Formats: sequence, C-alpha cells, structure tokens
Amino acid sequence: DIVMTQSPDSLAVSLGERATINCKSGQDLLYTSNNKNYLAWYQQKPGQSPKALIYWASTRESGVPDRFSGSGSGTDFTLTISSLQADDVAIYYCQQYWSPPYTFGQGTKVEIK
Amino acid sequence: EVQLVESGGGLVQPGRSLRLSCTASGFTYGDYAISWVRQAPGKGLEWVGFIPTKTYGATPYYAASVKGRFIISRDDSKSIAYLQMNSLKPEDTGVYFCTRLVGSGWPHDYWGQGTLVTVSS
Repeated sequence: DIVMTQSPDSLAVSLGERATINCKSGQDLLYTSNNKNYLAWYQQKPGQSPKALIYWASTRESGVPDRFSGSGSGTDFTLTISSLQADDVAIYYCQQYWSPPYTFGQGTKVEIK
Repeated sequence: EVQLVESGGGLVQPGRSLRLSCTASGFTYGDYAISWVRQAPGKGLEWVGFIPTKTYGATPYYAASVKGRFIISRDDSKSIAYLQMNSLKPEDTGVYFCTRLVGSGWPHDYWGQGTLVTVSS
C-alpha cells in the first residue's frame, strides 16, 4: 500500500495570511506517459462530508476559489491557501489514486490564529 | 445536480451484518465507479473499496482491513451501490461515505453526506 504522510498535523494562521500543507507519498505518483500526478486534495469542514478541491496535483475543481493552489510532483506535494479566510477552517486531506487501495494522508487541521 | 445519498446505517452488535445503500442521481450512473470511504469518530478518512463500471468488469477492490468481510455491489438499473458488511467489529464504527469516480486512476469528485454505523453490544 502507498503510505501518504501529511505535515503538519495542524496549523493556526491569521486571517489573510498564507497556509501551507505538505503531503509526501511513499511512491512516485507521476505517470510519465501522460505527465500527470495521481494526487488529490479534499477539504472537510466540521460536520460535513469531504469536498474535492484539487486533482492531478494542481487542477482546481470547478468552483474552488483561486486562493487554493496545489503544486509538487513525484512524491512531494503542497496545498497552499494564499490568503486564509474564515470559511477555510477545515481538515485537509491528500489522497493518492495511482493504485488501490486509494490511501489518504492523516489530515491537517487548519484553524484561525 | 449530482447527488449521492447513503442509507442503512445504525446500531448493530459485533459479529452481525448490515447493508448500506448509496442512491445516485443527476448523472449517468453506469458511466461511473463508486467508492466507499469511512471515518471513525474523530479520526481521518479510510478508503474501504470501490466497484468499477460494468464496462471494466465491475470487479470490486477492497482495503485489507475489510477484505473477506465486506462486499460491494451495484445495480445500474436502480442507480444504487451497496456495501454489505459482515462479521462486523467495533473498529468498523464510523461514518460511511459513498463517492463517485470516473474509474480506477481518477479522483473522487462527489461525496454523499454519509451514514453512521455503530458496532457495539
């Protein structure tokens, strides 16, 4: 199984400041034939189901604000919230969909400082 | 509007069985794979398994933690996916979400609201 490790486990950021979440995969997620990384990011707000934010490591899902961006390739990935809003308080998960089981990171809790 | 609605959760004793349903609407159900993901109370997301479309054989894949106990199936005529859970253990307690994906090697783009399963005597 591919192990996904996120860091940090939690972070507190002031409103309007940048939040950065890292995700490391135990296996290369870049498929060179199509140059795609099989990595997604999800947001789960308190009491809600997860919502897809970013897939292929850097493609925003339709309707996701452009303050959310994904970067990275291979085994190291980053989710950045460029200017944190109150509505962004949530737990964020990365997931690999390279091969089943489609494992998730342990989650990163983002709070307001 | 794409919708996935889970049902069938509840309180069940260890060793017993329970079947969850995931009813889909707002898209061509037969064109999509369905995945199940669970979340223990206060914990992170755990992928349970998925069933591809009939075009790809509809042979389910399972996480090791549930393989041999859980069975995923689909009824394309009703736009419903099922998660049959047998020999339930207390550690199976959690909220179970169904999700949609194009197929193997695709992200989970829509999620249901989840149904709570509690395994306890």
